Amino acid sequence: DSGVTQTPKHLITATGQRVTLRCSPRSGDLSVYWYQQSLDQGLQFLIQYYNGEERAKGNILERFSAQQFPDLHSELNLSSLELGDSALYFCASSVGGAPFGYTFGSGTRLTVV
Amino acid sequence: DAKTTQPNSMESNEEEPVHLPCNHSTISGTDYIHWYRQLPSQGPEYVIHGLTSNVNNRMASLAIAEDRKSSTLILHRATLRDAAVYYCILNAGKSTFGDGTTLTVKP
Repeated sequence: DSGVTQTPKHLITATGQRVTLRCSPRSGDLSVYWYQQSLDQGLQFLIQYYNGEERAKGNILERFSAQQFPDLHSELNLSSLELGDSALYFCASSVGGAPFGYTFGSGTRLTVV
Repeated sequence: DAKTTQPNSMESNEEEPVHLPCNHSTISGTDYIHWYRQLPSQGPEYVIHGLTSNVNNRMASLAIAEDRKSSTLILHRATLRDAAVYYCILNAGKSTFGDGTTLTVKP
């Protein structure tokens, strides 16, 4: 157990639907990062939050959004789902960025049918 | 983002040392060098990271070139459980990971 909790572990949904993925960071970590990993691509950075505020954006689609709540857990919302959104979604947390290293969760496997 | 280059694959025998190279010729002075590894269908696992000096921890050692344009992850005695994809990445949190090096460990 890495200390980063992601739920659900598996999710199957239909095209056009909306889903919410949840991440609880390791205790004491203020930063949360979201990644997408599909079969034909590596780990793509999506977005980072630090203590409730958005800090950096990567290759995140407009149909995707995220937020970090006062208790520091984060949610990634995926809407108007397409077949190509099927992927593993990972959350990572860190005390404060590159000098400290990152701890990844075990991921949510999303299948869009 | 500064880019890293790693060999696609490497092989090692069990209980022998493994040296995994990484080139990062466009690294800037404030970029940290991170190494992670990933088993199939699992999240990446932190291995080690450093800025300028060589680093050691219970999992591995990180040797950083004096000009910081390359680094080497050293597994001192490879075990079958070390078989994974190893990623070298700069400032991992906001970067997209590359293809990494797939390490195969032979018994």
